[in-house]
Amino acid sequence: GQQLNQSPQSMFIQEGEDVSMNCTSSSIFNTWLWYKQDPGEGPVLLIALYKAGELTSNGRLTAQFGITRKDSFLNISASIPSDVGIYFCAGSDPSGGYNKLIFGAGTRLAVHP
Amino acid sequence: GAGVSQSPSNKVTEKGKDVELRCDPISGHTALYWYRQSLGQGLEFLIYFQGNSAPDKSGLPSDRFSAERTGGSVSTLTIQRTQQEDSAVYLCASSLVGNQPQHFGDGTRLSIL
Repeated sequence: GQQLNQSPQSMFIQEGEDVSMNCTSSSIFNTWLWYKQDPGEGPVLLIALYKAGELTSNGRLTAQFGITRKDSFLNISASIPSDVGIYFCAGSDPSGGYNKLIFGAGTRLAVHP
Repeated sequence: GAGVSQSPSNKVTEKGKDVELRCDPISGHTALYWYRQSLGQGLEFLIYFQGNSAPDKSGLPSDRFSAERTGGSVSTLTIQRTQQEDSAVYLCASSLVGNQPQHFGDGTRLSIL
């Protein structure tokens, strides 16, 4: 089946630093989504990407849908302590006709003040 | 509230018992999804409901798992004869229609003793 590789698994950074994480897949996705999950809560949608090559920003977050449709990255600029959490990428299987999402294993971000 | 609501938030039960998990989607959302998140892992798709159409059950791990959605709104995920490997967080999500971004509830943390 489809697999989605997310890296890095974890990051420990200083407040103010920029962060980059990415996802690659073995096959094509027609939608890429980035979610953040805090402990004890469900994932919250950060950015949705629908078109190959699309670059979208949401405040300090920027994400891109790779041209090959097999990868995506998320950048966080000038990190702050509340950025701590687990970030998940998710891709939508185009054969499903709907957003049957396949999730990466997550990137755990820790921010040191 | 306006978000996806799940109950109970925590459930502890003995191996072999049946459990029912409930999801109230966002009002007006026609699509509803169930996912399972094992400790330290990404989300695993279980089942998808869209309106009155037959659900996509392709992610259910065994015939001990079943789900219903009554009246196009509330959904119940049932696990029969629970096993220890069923211990996980079960997350529900809804979207306006099948190809729109999914919004998640905070999940039910299921522990099988």
